[in-house]
Amino acid sequence: QSVLTQPPSVSAAPGQKVTISCSGVSSNIGKNFVSWYQQFPGVAPRLLIYANSERPSGIPDRFSGSKSGTSATLDITGLQTGDEADYYCGTWDTSLSVGVFGGGTKLTVL
Amino acid sequence: QLQLQESGPGLVKPSESLSLTCTVSGGSISSSNYYWGWIRQPPGKGLECIGSISFSGSGYSNPSLKSRVTMSVDTSKNQFSLRLNSVTAADTALYYCARLLCGGDCYGKVPNWFDPWGQGTQVTVSS
Repeated sequence: QSVLTQPPSVSAAPGQKVTISCSGVSSNIGKNFVSWYQQFPGVAPRLLIYANSERPSGIPDRFSGSKSGTSATLDITGLQTGDEADYYCGTWDTSLSVGVFGGGTKLTVL
Repeated sequence: QLQLQESGPGLVKPSESLSLTCTVSGGSISSSNYYWGWIRQPPGKGLECIGSISFSGSGYSNPSLKSRVTMSVDTSKNQFSLRLNSVTAADTALYYCARLLCGGDCYGKVPNWFDPWGQGTQVTVSS
């Protein structure tokens, strides 16, 4: 059981937009920055979004993040087949004093 | 470019200890802007943060593992390490090390995001 809640899967057609949600509580998302990670099978996760909405260099602007209250979202526009991967949200939990993640969302580009 | 590389035994017997080391290259581990952490991923499952440690040795551990976890830092070798005691089959996972950032100096702040990650090392607990 993950501390943050994500939908197990989402899907959309190439070129379309998809939104992945991440729900937490006041002690984690409510108090701290949210980050998002992309993971392809057999490969380590890669940072996509940090500090709620910032993109590291090299990450296309098709990927964007936002946070409101105790929830966060990752938007991916102009979907490509190469975007098919697992996506995880993460943050710090102030009560647990540890980093926490969502259970991951599998993106399928139909 | 900062790189992290995990190393350690791939097979550990039940009730024994798991020991892993993460070697950092391309940058110094001795910075107050970062923590250094361990994350694991059981087969087919999601990510679980094990804990994190600063270059000065202060750190945090997941409450669900706290009594079994020891982390340390060796600044002379630019490495940090994890020891997990009394392992069971439930500890079988892909173990990653990563740098954690606070968004500037970590003094008075908590680490918020993981970047970069090591490639991961598979640890199997089996007799």
